[in-house]
Amino acid sequence: DAKTTQPNSMESNEEEPVHLPCNHSTISGTDYIHWYRQLPSQGPEYVIHGLTSNVNNRMASLAIAEDRKSSTLILHRATLRDAAVYYCIRLSGAGSYQLTFGKGTKLSVIP
Amino acid sequence: EAGVAQSPRYKIIEKRQSVAFWCNPISGHATLYWYQQILGQGPKLLIQFQNNGVVDDSQLPKDRFSAERLKGVDSTLKIQPAKLEDSAVYLCASSLVAWNSPLHFGNGTRLTVT
Repeated sequence: DAKTTQPNSMESNEEEPVHLPCNHSTISGTDYIHWYRQLPSQGPEYVIHGLTSNVNNRMASLAIAEDRKSSTLILHRATLRDAAVYYCIRLSGAGSYQLTFGKGTKLSVIP
Repeated sequence: EAGVAQSPRYKIIEKRQSVAFWCNPISGHATLYWYQQILGQGPKLLIQFQNNGVVDDSQLPKDRFSAERLKGVDSTLKIQPAKLEDSAVYLCASSLVAWNSPLHFGNGTRLTVT
């Protein structure tokens, strides 16, 4: 049970922003939201994580809704290298640190 | 910093044979994970180590799968005997501390059981 809901696939044009949505309506107050991506024939790669407020790093931005029931991963300018499967993961604040992956969103970038 | 190293990259065996995968985590990373990823699905956790102790192996099919992490560094995952449904990519990951640190994944071993 991945406890998050993502669209199966999305498309974006190269050099345009991409907004990848994730629903986590049953999230608890101490659960973090983590995003990983997996390029073809590679292992997953950490992208970003957050708890309540919006987060930015060199790869992406994470916008978390005020009620925390949803979040959006923002790639500011998609490149062909961003074509990957993106996983939104809810990490429980209690217990052992385990990431439970769903099927993710397959992002295609059109040149 | 060197990444998580896994070998072999590919392995093809017949059903009922045995196979072993090796993982060398990033230096200093206390937590090590083995995941199984079947084609078209997200990775599924098999086992989690903290140093050389098992934290969680509840999803490891213990009748055929075994894993160890000697001296809290390298780890091996073994399957004996293999079944057709074990065909998957086996991913190793490590993290610096147990909670909320990013996981660093290797590129996996692709196993094909014929």
